[in-house]
Amino acid sequence: QSALTQPPSASGSPGQSVTISCTGIRSDVGAYDYVSWYQHHPGKAPKLMLYEVAKRPSGVPDRFSGSKSGNTASLTVSGLQAEDEADYYCSAYTLSDNFEVFGGGTKLTVL
Amino acid sequence: QVYMVESGGGVVQPGVSLRLSCAASGFDVSSHGMHWVRQSPGKGLEFVALMWAHGRDQNYADSVKGRFTISRDIPKNTVYLQMNNLRAEDTAVYYCGRDLAYGALDFRGQGTLVTVSS
Repeated sequence: QSALTQPPSASGSPGQSVTISCTGIRSDVGAYDYVSWYQHHPGKAPKLMLYEVAKRPSGVPDRFSGSKSGNTASLTVSGLQAEDEADYYCSAYTLSDNFEVFGGGTKLTVL
Repeated sequence: QVYMVESGGGVVQPGVSLRLSCAASGFDVSSHGMHWVRQSPGKGLEFVALMWAHGRDQNYADSVKGRFTISRDIPKNTVYLQMNNLRAEDTAVYYCGRDLAYGALDFRGQGTLVTVSS
């Protein structure tokens, strides 16, 4: 069982927006604004899409945005494109010795 | 250009040891926290171990504590994961990543597959 809870799947048509949630507890998601999101295509390296809740690394389109409220963080993908189809994982810095925890992943399907 | 190449995986029997390597280039492993993260078949990503940039501290997942050890060789710019007493549940693709900011990880390699099976 993953430490952070994500829906197993999400979907949307090209051009639409989809939001993926990531729910933790007060000692991880709720503790700091150190939530990251990764895009993972099977067989490839996970790609950092957002960090510190809503910051985008260089090269990540502004169609990807993030937010957080309490113990739940969210990733929104606007203007869905076929290449956005992938698995998405959230992670959060945690006050425990484990340092960070991941969500179970959400498979995003572009219909 | 930043590169990280994982190697050392393979098929091993339960109870044996294996050492994974993460050879880095384009940056210094001593300037970043370096993580090992794994993905078991059909499952999500899981934190395994962290070597802090200063080198004085390491963190481990509860599931590997006491069995796995993370280390680094600064002249070789390489990070290692020594895995002892391997179990079937350690079967996974192992990735190394550099920490950009409090767990925001930059991954570049395709990982190395470890299969533990009798």
